[in-house]
Amino acid sequence: GAGVSQTPSNKVTEKGKYVELRCDPISGHTALYWYRQSLGQGPEFLIYFQGTGAADDSGLPNDRFFAVRPEGSVSTLKIQRTERGDSAVYLCASSAPSQQFFGPGTRLTVL
Amino acid sequence: RKEVEQDPGPFNVPEGATVAFNCTYSNSASQSFFWYRQDCRKEPKLLMSVYSSGNEDGRFTAQLNRASQYISLLIRDSKLSDSATYLCAVNEGGGFKTIFGAGTRLFVKA
Repeated sequence: GAGVSQTPSNKVTEKGKYVELRCDPISGHTALYWYRQSLGQGPEFLIYFQGTGAADDSGLPNDRFFAVRPEGSVSTLKIQRTERGDSAVYLCASSAPSQQFFGPGTRLTVL
Repeated sequence: RKEVEQDPGPFNVPEGATVAFNCTYSNSASQSFFWYRQDCRKEPKLLMSVYSSGNEDGRFTAQLNRASQYISLLIRDSKLSDSATYLCAVNEGGGFKTIFGAGTRLFVKA
């Protein structure tokens, strides 16, 4: 389909491991967002890209989290030294110009 | 105080009822406002943007009160299919950072 896709849909890892989460935005959308959502909460803003650059990364919780979008399309969220508190659904959204379309999310479980 | 606050509910209403949700925001410089719907274990989907003049889409009406810093969503003639979590979202002034509320759960029963 033509929507936002995210892979993997589920990821189980062990505490201390490194994970990468991928987002394929809608073709032509220049803006891309990452959020994480815990049970019973709304999406929590992590980072926003306009093109290749991170326009606002103020939501990244600490330096274990990093995101890239090298060619202005696909983005990867990278989490180092995962902790149990990182367990959540990680959502990606793309927009052009203002309406955000969300992907189905990656459910990350850190054991 | 949270940046965007919503009553978590749940709101339990019969089919055909009218139900209203409010959402308050703390940043007076906020520029854009939205209501999203999220079904269980699914991603949020945009329901409506909220404009200063208010806007209506079928059974749904959204309003913005800048002076009191809240937005509202009114659902008329509730349907079983309206059962979901309703998230309000606010874009901070001048940028695209979007802050979501925790959501209000609605259950519509036959």
